[in-house]
Amino acid sequence: KNEVEQSPQNLTAQEGEFITINCSYSVGISALHWLQQHPGGGIVSLFMLSSGKKKHGRLIATINIQEKHSSLHITASHPRDSAVYICAPRIAAGSQGNLIFGKGTKLSVKP
Amino acid sequence: ETGVTQSPTHLIKTRGQQVTLRCSSQSGHNTVSWYQQALGQGPQFIFQYYREEENGRGNFPPRFSGLQFPNYSSELNVNALELDDSALYLCASSQDSLTGELFFGEGSRLTVL
Repeated sequence: KNEVEQSPQNLTAQEGEFITINCSYSVGISALHWLQQHPGGGIVSLFMLSSGKKKHGRLIATINIQEKHSSLHITASHPRDSAVYICAPRIAAGSQGNLIFGKGTKLSVKP
Repeated sequence: ETGVTQSPTHLIKTRGQQVTLRCSSQSGHNTVSWYQQALGQGPQFIFQYYREEENGRGNFPPRFSGLQFPNYSSELNVNALELDDSALYLCASSQDSLTGELFFGEGSRLTVL
């Protein structure tokens, strides 16, 4: 069983739709990152969460530490949101805090 | 722009050769981690350096090695290249090894022929 499970794997939406991507993990973490990767490879960290909820523009991320679950929401989706979204918990092991990655959710937003 | 720069952006090597990839961290960041991302896959953790010492390693063989310099820039070295080493190599820097915000470079795309 993977330590990080993301759903859905692929998601096609119409412009303006509300989108939710889910992430469940099975390890102890110090934080959880939501990452965005565009074709070509560059990765941008959208959020780093250790509790509660964060909002940035049309993006909202939530985490429930007890349930080991996090969600990323996109309100009023736009074609420029098309990308791969990756959930990446940061494990807590001594002083090492490396990321483990979900397989990503490929989002395509149609105009 | 994150302030993390990687070089080279693209390179082609042949089997058996050696390669060095470089990462310049964001100013003030003392932690750098390296990841390998094969085509169509998620990134995999290679290793992490904190204040010039390796403080974590993923499931990669010893021919993957690294260095972190006093200015916190970093190198990833891969010896005896294999075809399966073809991938995007990403580095990420942070101010703290456990809880600091992460900043990724654009990656170095390595092709091994």
